[in-house]
Amino acid sequence: ETGVTQSPTHLIKTRGQQVTLRCSSQSGHNTVSWYQQALGQGPQFIFQYYREEENGRGNFPPRFSGLQFPNYSSELNVNALELDDSALYLCASSRRTSGSVETQYFGPGTRLLVL
Amino acid sequence: AQSVTQLGSHVSVSEGALVLLRCNYSSSVPPYLFWYVQYPNQGLQLLLKYTSAATLVKGINGFEAEFKKSETSFHLTKPSAHMSDAAEYFCAVSDRNDYKLSFGAGTTVTVRA
Repeated sequence: ETGVTQSPTHLIKTRGQQVTLRCSSQSGHNTVSWYQQALGQGPQFIFQYYREEENGRGNFPPRFSGLQFPNYSSELNVNALELDDSALYLCASSRRTSGSVETQYFGPGTRLLVL
Repeated sequence: AQSVTQLGSHVSVSEGALVLLRCNYSSSVPPYLFWYVQYPNQGLQLLLKYTSAATLVKGINGFEAEFKKSETSFHLTKPSAHMSDAAEYFCAVSDRNDYKLSFGAGTTVTVRA
């Protein structure tokens, strides 16, 4: 069974640029969530995708957007990068079924540095 | 809205000693509670979860946690620390209608030889 994978592992961008981060969910999982973890802090929820639609969003501006594809993989796009966007971006996948607890399994993350 | 507070940003223990990491939650509905561990330069690994079955939950690597509704707590323990337990530990909460996880600020564990 393949776990959650993310690409790239590291990325350096300059302020104002755009970035796309990718995530492949664990086999059998149909839901993907994205989190931002700033240095020394806990992860913060960005948004979640289920059945290719956004299903919940945290306190992040619209320049943070995403996609989920039919194979349940996902992308996180960030436009007009700011210095404060420098962080570890974590993707988590889970299997949503009615009446059961949804446990999220995390990938290794993409570390983004904005200069 | 649900939230968690982790008491103590750093915990230092001797190898073989008890590990105790504290987590208190705030939730308007019965919560789901989780403990995750993060090793340097890695993602989060699930240690254990509480889903309203048994209040004492056993996880991987010898860790366990007890859900105490009266104290709104979900503290993580391990009877005997090992050098490999040095890592960052996060407590997280979600409710039954909102699948997002809300994380605490984390507790860094160092283990002294």
